[in-house]
Amino acid sequence: GNSVTQMEGPVTLSEEAFLTINCTYTATGYPSLFWYVQYPGEGLQLLLKATKADDKGSNKGFEATYRKETTSFHLEKGSVQVSDSAVYFCALSLNYGQNFVFGPGTRLSVLP
Amino acid sequence: GAGVSQSPSNKVTEKGKDVELRCDPISGHTALYWYRQSLGQGLEFLIYFQGNSAPDKSGLPSDRFSAERTGGSVSTLTIQRTQQEDSAVYLCASSPMDRGPFETQYFGPGTRLLVL
Repeated sequence: GNSVTQMEGPVTLSEEAFLTINCTYTATGYPSLFWYVQYPGEGLQLLLKATKADDKGSNKGFEATYRKETTSFHLEKGSVQVSDSAVYFCALSLNYGQNFVFGPGTRLSVLP
Repeated sequence: GAGVSQSPSNKVTEKGKDVELRCDPISGHTALYWYRQSLGQGLEFLIYFQGNSAPDKSGLPSDRFSAERTGGSVSTLTIQRTQQEDSAVYLCASSPMDRGPFETQYFGPGTRLLVL
């Protein structure tokens, strides 16, 4: 079946630290890959996406590269801010958007 | 423009009661999804509507759950005879689906359901 695995949280970092949140997937076919973010008290919103192998999605200083050979889509940011504190969800989409599978989410806390 | 809206934002009910949750998708979006986010869990897919096609109900956890989408727009998720394990945040998302299979989903703020 299709699944998404993320690193367990919570992740706690100091401001300006380097962030990596690992995400790996299992899929029957060639999925699109997404990172969604949920800030405290808000709904989910798209952070970035990549639709084919070797694509790099980027937004707000975050980046993730679609690695087909390792079935991974790790999220990275060079210097996190307190405002980045949120829950991050890795997700994949197959079959014309019908099959959206989300990972369990990783809670990030950035301390000043 | 307006995003996806959901109502109510919070709902407290007693075990055994029926509840209805509403989702207003972004105008023109043909795809609509319902998810459930339980405490400490990830997003769980419930049901998917695409245009006039039959909905994909494969994620509904039991026959107490049902959903409909009237006129290709507003959707209602109904939970009958609620149980305490139904307590969760129910999220709705819509997607235009006009760029093929990789379109982004836009999420509503969710309805927080608490079953006492």
